[in-house]
Amino acid sequence: NAGVTQTPKFQVLKTGQSMTLQCAQDMNHEYMSWYRQDPGMGLRLIHYSVGAGITDQGEVPNGYNVSRSTTEDFPLRLLSAAPSQTSVYFCASRELAGGSSYEQYFGPGTRLTVT
Amino acid sequence: AQSVAQPEDQVNVAEGNPLTVNCTYSVSGNPYLFWYVQYPNRGLQFLLKYITGDNLVKGSYGFEAEFNKSQTSFHLKKPSALVSDSALYFCAVRDSRGSSASKIIFGSGTRLSIRP
Repeated sequence: NAGVTQTPKFQVLKTGQSMTLQCAQDMNHEYMSWYRQDPGMGLRLIHYSVGAGITDQGEVPNGYNVSRSTTEDFPLRLLSAAPSQTSVYFCASRELAGGSSYEQYFGPGTRLTVT
Repeated sequence: AQSVAQPEDQVNVAEGNPLTVNCTYSVSGNPYLFWYVQYPNRGLQFLLKYITGDNLVKGSYGFEAEFNKSQTSFHLKKPSALVSDSALYFCAVRDSRGSSASKIIFGSGTRLSIRP
């Protein structure tokens, strides 16, 4: 199993540009989520999904869109990039219920810089 | 609302000494508690969890954590630190009263530095 994969690893955008961060998992997990990591602020939840076709907002959703057309994929879209979105982005997945549902698996991260 | 506090940004320990990384939490119901570790340029890795039962839980790499309900704490400990333990550690909490989709909230992280 590859686990949770993210592409790209690094990205530089200019203010106003749009892009999509890709996330995929091969563990058949129902629950997927996106976090951003900023110094001194830990991980903050952006959006999450409990299954294909179902998404919801986290703590800091503004400026980001998500969709979940398949169980495996959960892309994060930046509609019009701003310098405040410079961060490291992590995708995570877990089972929705049952004994293994407590452990989240994280991808390696995407380091995004907006100039 | 649930929250997690990690009061120290950095903890410095000499190799071979015991280490503690502190964490306190706030939830409405009973907590599910977690510790994750992040090595440089990597994603987070699961270390251990408390769901129910014994207050002392053991995890990967010789780490353990003690759940203290009266003090709402879940401190991470290791009897003898290794240089390779140097990393960023995150405490996280999830409210057991929520649905299975309830969110996991992370603390701000504590950087553990072990000197040889």
